[in-house]
Amino acid sequence: AQKITQTQPGMFVQEKEAVTLDCTYDTSDQSYGLFWYKQPSSGEMIFLIYQGSYDEQNATEGRYSLNFQKARKSANLVISASQLGDSAMYFCAMRETDKLIFGTGTRLQVFP
Amino acid sequence: EPEVTQTPSHQVTQMGQEVILRCVPISNHLYFYWYRQILGQKVEFLVSFYNNEISEKSEIFDDQFSVERPDGSNFTLKIRSTKLEDSAMYFCASSERGDLLAKNIQYFGAGTRLSVL
Repeated sequence: AQKITQTQPGMFVQEKEAVTLDCTYDTSDQSYGLFWYKQPSSGEMIFLIYQGSYDEQNATEGRYSLNFQKARKSANLVISASQLGDSAMYFCAMRETDKLIFGTGTRLQVFP
Repeated sequence: EPEVTQTPSHQVTQMGQEVILRCVPISNHLYFYWYRQILGQKVEFLVSFYNNEISEKSEIFDDQFSVERPDGSNFTLKIRSTKLEDSAMYFCASSERGDLLAKNIQYFGAGTRLSVL
């Protein structure tokens, strides 16, 4: 069974608009961590934001925020005021023991 | 800002040859990882390493793979006899902490693209 599901293979957004990238997860653990990474066309993996399962508030990092709905097991990434440089693959991941389990990713394209 | 450094950025090798991929983790980090990403697919965990031992490995990490921390700074992944299906981007990552209750952020290097011909 998929541990991390990203149902949007591709998303388009106009510059300066907000966009939400979906992520649902599956775990029976009470304590877990959720992560979002950005992979531009150059290939590197850039950490964006983290949400712990016990965190009472949704995580925010600059223009990135995480819409964490624990009962629904969803951890959607919200990018506000999109920029052309936000065009990239975005991966949701969950920590399981030592390792990160990644979703299949969403390709975001920002157009002028 | 400290970063994980990987060399080379691109490695081309013949099938059956040995390759060593190199990584310099962030200096105060204690936990090290290798992941791979076959072109167009998701990132997959290979192995984690702590205190000079493998702490976890995936099914992909078979006897052809090994990891080593030969000195205080480098962390290497060796593939003994490469196969065509080993062609992928290999990412090294490191984290300061590893316990489940910690905010354990894994920081990734830029990757080594391995092409097996």
